[in-house]
Amino acid sequence: DGGITQSPKYLFRKEGQNVTLSCEQNLNHDAMYWYRQDPGQGLRLIYYSQIVNDFQKGDIAEGYSVSREKKESFPLTVTSAQKNPTAFYLCASSIQSGTFQETQYFGPGTRLLVL
Amino acid sequence: AQSVTQLGSHVSVSEGALVLLRCNYSSSVPPYLFWYVQYPNQGLQLLLKYTTGATLVKGINGFEAEFKKSETSFHLTKPSAHMSDAAEYFCAVSETPRGGSNYKLTFGKGTLLTVNP
Repeated sequence: DGGITQSPKYLFRKEGQNVTLSCEQNLNHDAMYWYRQDPGQGLRLIYYSQIVNDFQKGDIAEGYSVSREKKESFPLTVTSAQKNPTAFYLCASSIQSGTFQETQYFGPGTRLLVL
Repeated sequence: AQSVTQLGSHVSVSEGALVLLRCNYSSSVPPYLFWYVQYPNQGLQLLLKYTTGATLVKGINGFEAEFKKSETSFHLTKPSAHMSDAAEYFCAVSETPRGGSNYKLTFGKGTLLTVNP
């Protein structure tokens, strides 16, 4: 079955620690996205990538980093510079055919908690 | 920049009653509009989307939405609520970042729908 997988489901971060959230898709989509979800805030875009080895900052990129070495994978690192990392993180992908009609498909999410 | 406003962070209806979730957007160009649903501790699932053509859009699970350009609205409705409809609903609008041709979604803050027996 095609889809997006995120791991782990829950992740705990200690003070000053970097942690990496995994996102893998087998939909053969070019574009991938990372969103942060906080209660009552909706979804906010952290980073997105249209193609391998290229990515752009979203609205709240500070304290986060990404890489896109493979089409299928778009890991997100939450660095120690992110002072308030507790949130639900969602990865998404879309075909990126160059139009504005594309549907984004979401993974099940990773909940990050600070110890 | 485009923005999305969802009126009412929490809507409560009785089972069998009409569901109406409100969404208004701001845009200087014709937008593409989406409704997503999120069940607890899960990702988002597309309910329906408006791109061009017919302004009344039908989606999954009996939901539909009507694009009204004059009112800059895209309200989501369902004639008869079911217990399984209890979830959070997000309205979103497509957006092109300045200077780019990329596709980006701007989400509203969400409306939590509760269905009472």
